[in-house]
Amino acid sequence: QLQLQESGPGLVRPSETLSLTCTVSTGSITNSRYFWAWIRQSPGKGLQWIGTFHSRGTTFYNPALKGRVTLSIDTSNSQFSLKLSAVTAADTAVYYCATHYDHILHDWGQGTLVTVSA
Amino acid sequence: QSALTQPRSVSGSPGQSVTISCTGTNSDVGGYNFVSWYQHHPGKAPKLLISDVTKRPSGVSDRFSGSKSADTASLTISGLQAEDEADYYCWSFAGSDTWVFGGGTKLTVL
Repeated sequence: QLQLQESGPGLVRPSETLSLTCTVSTGSITNSRYFWAWIRQSPGKGLQWIGTFHSRGTTFYNPALKGRVTLSIDTSNSQFSLKLSAVTAADTAVYYCATHYDHILHDWGQGTLVTVSA
Repeated sequence: QSALTQPRSVSGSPGQSVTISCTGTNSDVGGYNFVSWYQHHPGKAPKLLISDVTKRPSGVSDRFSGSKSADTASLTISGLQAEDEADYYCWSFAGSDTWVFGGGTKLTVL
C-alpha cells in the first residue's frame, strides 16, 4: 500500500494558478503499473475527478476542467503535481491525490484544503 | 459528463442492512463492469470498499457487498455498525478515458 501526502499553499488568489504536490513515500513513482490521479471535494459537495496521468506521459482529464489543468511528475523527488489555472471561488476544495489503475482509486492521501479568496 | 445519481442520505439501525444505489447510463455504469465504491469519513482519506462491481479487497469486511443491474449499481451494508456512519461514493469508468463519481450518500446509523 502506497503512502501519499498532498502539500501546497492553503490560500490562492482568484485568477491565479493553484499548485499542489503529492509526495509518494512508499513504493516507486515510476512503477509502470501506477497511474496518478487528483480528486477534489468542494465544501458541501461530492468528489470530483480532476485528472490522471502516467509517468510515461499519458494523461486523462475531466472534460469540465480540461484546459485549466496541468499534471506532471518529478521522479527524482517521488512527487507528482497538479496545476489549476485561472482559479475562482468555485475551485475552493479539499484536494486529494491517489493511485489510479485498473479503473480503481487504490491509495489516497489525506487531502489538503485550498481556499480561493482575495 | 454528469455525476452518477446517488440518494443524498440513507439511514438504518445497528444490525440492519441498507442499500445505496448509484444510477448512471449505458455509457458508464451500464456499459462497463468498472464500478467501485468508497467510504469517506470526513477529514480522512477515502477508502476503497468494492471494485469491479462486486470485488471486495483484502481487509474489507464481508458486510459490504456490491451488485449491478442495467444502469444501476448498488452497495449493500449488512449488520450496520456505528462505525459505518460515513459518506459513500460510487465511481465508474465512463468511456473515452474518463471516470465519474456519484454525488455521494450520507449514511446515518440511528
